[in-house]
Amino acid sequence: KQEVTQIPAALSVPEGENLVLNCSFTDSAIYNLQWFRQDPGKGLTSLLLIQSSQREQTSGRLNASLDKSSGRSTLYIAASQPGDSATYLCAVRYNFNKFYFGSGTKLNVKP
Amino acid sequence: KAGVTQTPRYLIKTRGQQVTLSCSPISGHRSVSWYQQTPGQGLQFLFEYFSETQRNKGNFPGRFSGRQFSNSRSEMNVSTLELGDSALYLCASSWVPGLAGGLNNEQFFGPGTRLTVL
Repeated sequence: KQEVTQIPAALSVPEGENLVLNCSFTDSAIYNLQWFRQDPGKGLTSLLLIQSSQREQTSGRLNASLDKSSGRSTLYIAASQPGDSATYLCAVRYNFNKFYFGSGTKLNVKP
Repeated sequence: KAGVTQTPRYLIKTRGQQVTLSCSPISGHRSVSWYQQTPGQGLQFLFEYFSETQRNKGNFPGRFSGRQFSNSRSEMNVSTLELGDSALYLCASSWVPGLAGGLNNEQFFGPGTRLTVL
């Protein structure tokens, strides 16, 4: 059974800190992994997509890494800002367009 | 390029009624997936359509159904609504140029339809 776990469930940090969000998956035979951000009551905004053959992807202050063999991905956020406050979700794709989502990490960046 | 659009944004229904939600994918995208999001269960996959055919289906009862039109727009229908169907329903679109090339497509989500069942 494919499961995706995100730790921690919630995180509160002061503005300016660098932080790491974790995502683990049980089946390493993935096609890709995508990180999303969700603001309260809103849809999901795609942040980064890592193909199964890649080790990491970067976009601005965000860096996502992928280690298929250990079933782990991390999302690194540099110099956090209050506007980064949101729930961060990782989704693992195993076949076609069927994604398995983690339960998310709720991030609060305090000014 | 316009993003994924979903209508309506909010719906209030009563138990036993049925509801139809609509999703228009990003222009050129041919795959549409539907998800249900609740505080207790998180995001759960409902089904995925590609070229008017359902390719994947999650573990939901037959009351949940969908379809896709030739212009890639998709609708999902929920019949005999239950209180537990109250949720945010999200659709996502992606471009699938071919079987192999489609494996790494990025998904783009719409804003969702908030369904409340009273």
